[in-house]
Amino acid sequence: GQQLNQSPQSMFIQEGEDVSMNCTSSSIFNTWLWYKQDPGEGPVLLIALYKAGELTSNGRLTAQFGITRKDSFLNISASIPSDVGIYFCAGRTTSGTYKYIFGTGTRLKVLA
Amino acid sequence: DSGVTQTPKHLITATGQRVTLRCSPRSGDLSVYWYQQSLDQGLQFLIQYYNGEERAKGNILERFSAQQFPDLHSELNLSSLELGDSALYFCASSVGAENTEAFFGQGTRLTVV
Repeated sequence: GQQLNQSPQSMFIQEGEDVSMNCTSSSIFNTWLWYKQDPGEGPVLLIALYKAGELTSNGRLTAQFGITRKDSFLNISASIPSDVGIYFCAGRTTSGTYKYIFGTGTRLKVLA
Repeated sequence: DSGVTQTPKHLITATGQRVTLRCSPRSGDLSVYWYQQSLDQGLQFLIQYYNGEERAKGNILERFSAQQFPDLHSELNLSSLELGDSALYFCASSVGAENTEAFFGQGTRLTVV
């Protein structure tokens, strides 16, 4: 199935460090969403982006909708142990199919 | 709690069998999406319904079908089950048909033995 390229695939960081991850696509998207998924749970929406260049924050999380509309970035500042989980980006294309395509996920582990 | 309710939470069944997964969207949401997530994999879009009508189709097998009822709840039917169908099945809902945020349920873990 179609998926977005998300990187890095996984990362180990020390508590207190900042984290950056990104999502890229060959298609233009008109919406980007970032989700976090804990083991055995459903993805929880973190941030939604609707305009190219848009920068949106949610607490320690900041996400940006790339100018080219083909990428998005998520930053987590001052990471804490509960940031552990899998982060997914999701994009909705402009092709009229109205479906979200999900990234492959970034698995984050925070070392206390 | 996202407001999206999925039942059952866990399901174990044998190959060749048929199961039905149920989803109740958030109050006021008209769109329902179904996703499949295999072990350590991303989410694969299966199908979307909006206000009772099929809106978009993804990589949904012919053995799988879905519908959305007048009360907006949705069911995903999986038949002639194979071992490879074992996965987490998520339902998500959103207010509109496009360009709106989707909220996920906690999923149904299907194990085919």
